[in-house]
Amino acid sequence: AQKVTQAQTEISVVEKEDVTLDCVYETRDTTYYLFWYKQPPSGELVFLIRRNSFDEQNEISGRYSWNFQKSTSSFNFTITASQVVDSAVYFCALRNIIQGAQKLVFGQGTRLTINP
Amino acid sequence: EAGVAQSPRYKIIEKRQSVAFWCNPISGHATLYWYQQILGQGPKLLIQFQNNGVVDDSQLPKDRFSAERLKGVDSTLKIQPAKLEDSAVYLCASSRGVQQYFGPGTRLTVL
Repeated sequence: AQKVTQAQTEISVVEKEDVTLDCVYETRDTTYYLFWYKQPPSGELVFLIRRNSFDEQNEISGRYSWNFQKSTSSFNFTITASQVVDSAVYFCALRNIIQGAQKLVFGQGTRLTINP
Repeated sequence: EAGVAQSPRYKIIEKRQSVAFWCNPISGHATLYWYQQILGQGPKLLIQFQNNGVVDDSQLPKDRFSAERLKGVDSTLKIQPAKLEDSAVYLCASSRGVQQYFGPGTRLTVL
């Protein structure tokens, strides 16, 4: 069975601080995808990043960076110099690569509040 | 390109009533998903369609929930009769490849 755990339910920091959101996953599949989504108060899930299980290169996009470590089954997300607009609920998700079975398994989410 | 459309955005009903939600996926997306997101939790897949066929409905409470995707485009999700625990946001998503695109959701409150 697949499972995603986001142990941090809520995080609150002051603007300009760096913050890391943790994600740990379980799967018996050898190939899979990992995702991060952002859910602002409007409710729509906004795609941030997708990684393949065979590509462990870390990625940076502006103030966002992702650390994928297969050895520890973790896919952590760091926001550098946080801004108030980063306030949202963030979800980590897992999906296998088998054709046809495409459901996303989500973690419980981490509510991030950036205070001015 | 227009995104995934859902309606209504909000719905309030009493328990034992029935309700229906509508989803229009992105044009050309063969795969359509319905997710249920209970407050404080991540979305959970209810049903996945490939064109107008069901691929996965293992987590759909079939005694009260039903969904259809006639003609392989729009989809409707119905709950009959609703229970208090059905209060949630119902998210529709569509995809052509790996990436799923989500709609704004329908927030259902069952009183």
